[in-house]
Amino acid sequence: AQRVTQPEKLLSVFKGAPVELKCNYSYSGSPELFWYVQYSRQRLQLLLRHISRESIKGFTADLNKGETSFHLKKPFAQEEDSAMYYCALSTGGFKTIFGAGTRLFVKA
Amino acid sequence: DAGITQSPRYKITETGRQVTLMCHQTWSHSYMFWYRQDLGHGLRLIYYSAAADITDKGEVPDGYVVSRSKTENFPLTLESATRSQTSVYFCASSESGLGANVLTFGAGSRLTVL
Repeated sequence: AQRVTQPEKLLSVFKGAPVELKCNYSYSGSPELFWYVQYSRQRLQLLLRHISRESIKGFTADLNKGETSFHLKKPFAQEEDSAMYYCALSTGGFKTIFGAGTRLFVKA
Repeated sequence: DAGITQSPRYKITETGRQVTLMCHQTWSHSYMFWYRQDLGHGLRLIYYSAAADITDKGEVPDGYVVSRSKTENFPLTLESATRSQTSVYFCASSESGLGANVLTFGAGSRLTVL
């Protein structure tokens, strides 16, 4: 069965510290993975997708098929990064499933 | 206004009542989706639609009905609301082709069932 697991419900780091939000997936096919972010009082929006291989707002994520992971990383966290982050898997047929989300809190 | 709009943004209803949440998009995106957001569960797919008159069940479809007579509208109906359907509901759309699978979300509809 397709599944996305985000093991941390809450992640708290100090400003300037590195941050890594973990995501593991279960899917037998060729996955397409995403990170979505929801800032306070804003809409859920795409942060990045693995096929773009780009860095958005200093965040990167690498697809590791061997470990079935797609962890989101940023070397130096900023207060404005505080938000809810969702890892998502598109399984074909244009259906996307989401993990339970990780709330990132960046302390001053 | 261009974009994806949901209405109502807030709704309080009673158990057993019928409730319809509306979703309207102006991009002519082929695909539309309904998710519910619950603490500890993240977003779970209720129903999705690939085009007008084509709909399919997601992960948690029980108790919900959808229709899509026009490309731009994708209403979600709770035929007999239950307390377990208290949630925040998000509508999303995506285009076909190269932009497919990238979801654009509405602002959400917060539903409370008493």
